Amino acid sequence: QKEVEQDPGPLSVPEGAIVSLNCTYSNSAFQYFMWYRQYSRKGPELLMYTYSSGNKEDGRFTAQVDKSSKYISLFIRDSQPSDSATYLCAMNTGFQKLVFGTGTRLLVSP
Amino acid sequence: DSGVTQTPKHLITATGQRVTLRCSPRSGDLSVYWYQQSLDQGLQFLIQYYNGEERAKGNILERFSAQQFPDLHSELNLSSLELGDSALYFCASSVGGMEGYTFGSGTRLTVV
Repeated sequence: QKEVEQDPGPLSVPEGAIVSLNCTYSNSAFQYFMWYRQYSRKGPELLMYTYSSGNKEDGRFTAQVDKSSKYISLFIRDSQPSDSATYLCAMNTGFQKLVFGTGTRLLVSP
Repeated sequence: DSGVTQTPKHLITATGQRVTLRCSPRSGDLSVYWYQQSLDQGLQFLIQYYNGEERAKGNILERFSAQQFPDLHSELNLSSLELGDSALYFCASSVGGMEGYTFGSGTRLTVV
């Protein structure tokens, strides 16, 4: 079993839809949770960072962490075609390497 | 521009050869991480250096080695290359790692 599980998609939605992306994990020691966006042939770009449980909002993006369920989510409101990319969740225990999910490919159609 | 510089952007080489990938971290970042990304494996952690010293090792093959120099740039050496080594190789840097990394734009290695 992988430490971090993520549905590879693709997830196809119309422009303006609310998108929900999710990851589950098995290591209860993870404390720091991130979401990265990766466009084709580019390096991953850090979108959101959350420590421990709770919600964090940044513009159209909301990250949620539920440590009791070992489940994290990224919500994108009013999705745009420019949001079409692969979204990777990542997490670690602190001063350690990040463990990444395999990524979910999102397609937002005009 | 993320501030993490990787060179070269593309590399095509033959099986059995050796290549060196270079990474300059973001100014002020002491940690450098190397990741391999292939279509079927996602981002796989290879190795981490912190201020010149190896800090953590992941699924790095014995044919691969890395180092971080006093000016904090890092090099990843890949030798006896095989077709299966074809992938995107990313370097990332951070101050501590708790708030995520900043990635470079990667080196696309094609082994023919």
